[in-house]
Order: sequence, then structure tokens, then C-alpha cells
Amino acid sequence: EPEVTQTPSHQVTQMGQEVILRCVPISNHLYFYWYRQILGQKVEFLVSFYNNEISEKSEIFDDQFSVERPDGSNFTLKIRSTKLEDSAMYFCASSETTGRNTIYFGEGSWLTVV
Amino acid sequence: DAKTTQPTSMDCAEGRAANLPCNHSTISGNEYVYWYRQIHSQGPQYIIHGLKNNETNEMASLIITEDRKSSTLILPHATLRDTAVYYCIVRSNQGAQKLVFGQGTRLTINP
Repeated sequence: EPEVTQTPSHQVTQMGQEVILRCVPISNHLYFYWYRQILGQKVEFLVSFYNNEISEKSEIFDDQFSVERPDGSNFTLKIRSTKLEDSAMYFCASSETTGRNTIYFGEGSWLTVV
Repeated sequence: DAKTTQPTSMDCAEGRAANLPCNHSTISGNEYVYWYRQIHSQGPQYIIHGLKNNETNEMASLIITEDRKSSTLILPHATLRDTAVYYCIVRSNQGAQKLVFGQGTRLTINP
């Protein structure tokens, strides 16, 4: 069964450093998403992306964050100048544009900022 | 997106059917009911979704009331591996509509 893959599975970074989280969505999907989950809290929406543009973003997704689809397969989340409170599990997800349009999630990238 | 209400936690014996309720009284006509689950801190796993008819797949069954204001997810023969947080979410199927997660129901399957 096709799946969303994410790398790295776990990253430790120093406060103030830049981090790039990578995702390979399911191959025929064209809607992409990033979510995050702080330990013990709800899964929170960050951003959706379609046709090389941000479709929607939450209040969390401020200027510190950016997304990019650098080639035909990868979808990345960049976090500039990381803060302690950015420590969380980050989930990438994707869906088709028509038909069932079900969103499928990757296994996540656990980011620890120290 | 319409909001949903779910019990905070539930227990079920292994081998029995687990019935997880969800209220979504403000659901609109173009919104589907989706169920996901999250085991530990893994990525949310899609289970099933429906609009107004009952649905069944290899994982579960979804029963939606006629007025669509509530639904029940049924795991027919629960196993220990079904222990997870289950999320009921209403969402339009139009465009890149996001999923909005609540607190879900923490289902514990007991041996």
C-alpha cells in the first residue's frame, strides 16, 4: 500500500538553528499538509499546499516556517531559528485532488530543540 | 468545520466489539464523517469515512444516524493492537480541506 514517508525520524537541534523536515507524499497525490503534535497535546494543522502555493495556513505557521516542493517528489518544511517550543512531532500528509480525497499521514519526524 | 463530541475514554474486552460514539449535531450537507486513530505517537491512521450511508471496510464499520447528527465506529473483534486514540472528524471533501483534530477517545482494549 502506498505511504507517506518522512525523514528524519528524529532530529535534535540547538536553539536558533534551522531545520528542514522532508516528506515524500503518495505519488499521485497533489494536496500536501503539515501538522504538528506537541507531546501530550492535540494534533494541530500547520499548512496545506497545492499547485506550488499555500492553500491555507494556521496561526502557528508564522514567518518562522516555510514549505517548498523542490522537485517532483519531495515536500519540505523549513523551520528557521528554532525555539524550545518548536519541539514536537511533525506529520506530513497528502491526499488526491478528486474522488475520495482521503488524507494519509506519514509516521512523523520528532524534533527536539535543546 | 463542524465540531464533534466524543467520550474521553472507553474500555473494551479483547475479542468483543468496540463501539465508539460521536456527536456532530452541526454537520452540514457536504461534510463527511471521518475516523482516524493514533497509536502512541505514530502518525494518524485513516480508518473509514462516510456521508450518510453506513460503511464497512476491512478495519471497521461506520453507522451514521438518519439525521446525520451522530455516528458510531464499530471495531467488530477488538484486539490489544486496537488500543489507541480514536478521532471523529467532520470535513468537506472539497479541495484541500484540512482535518481538525479534537481530543478523541482513548480506547483501551483489555485482555
